[in-house]
Amino acid sequence: AQSVTQLDSQVPVFEEAPVELRCNYSSSVSVYLFWYVQYPNQGLQLLLKYLSGSTLVESINGFEAEFNKSQTSFHLRKPSVHISDTAEYFCAVSLTGKSTFGDGTTLTVKP
Amino acid sequence: EAGVAQSPRYKIIEKRQSVAFWCNPISGHATLYWYQQILGQGPKLLIQFQNNGVVDDSQLPKDRFSAERLKGVDSTLKIQPAKLEDSAVYLCASSLQSNEQYFGPGTRLTVT
Repeated sequence: AQSVTQLDSQVPVFEEAPVELRCNYSSSVSVYLFWYVQYPNQGLQLLLKYLSGSTLVESINGFEAEFNKSQTSFHLRKPSVHISDTAEYFCAVSLTGKSTFGDGTTLTVKP
Repeated sequence: EAGVAQSPRYKIIEKRQSVAFWCNPISGHATLYWYQQILGQGPKLLIQFQNNGVVDDSQLPKDRFSAERLKGVDSTLKIQPAKLEDSAVYLCASSLQSNEQYFGPGTRLTVT
């Protein structure tokens, strides 16, 4: 069985500050890792993914996440956030097409 | 390409009534998922289809929930009878390769 723990339910941060959203997972086998973003009243959108290869993955809007196998973590980071980054962020693990999601982290960017 | 379509977007019903949700996945996506997202929680998989066959329905409350994907394209999820605890957002997702999922906007169900 696989599980995901998002360590912070809410993260308030000021605009242009750096942010890290933490995600730990447990699985007895290798899994794929994802971050999804959900804006109000919308479905989830894929932000970035780790399937194999380089442990550092980046999105087109400045987010990055690093797969750390020894710590079973996949933390999401951005060096400078914008107001528009305010949303709910979900970490997920996937094995053979079955995904398990964390309970989400609400990122609130304040001016 | 068109995204995953879901309808209705919102539904309010009384407990013990029945309700149905519809999902049209991205064209060509063989895998279709239904998730339940309760407020403050992450999505929980209810059922996964591969074409028109069920891959995983282990977390589907089969005494009241049912789902079908008859022609391997669109799908319906039904609840009969609804309970108060069924109030949630029901998300449909589809995928071409089995790990990257594309989500619809969801149907927000309120049971009173």
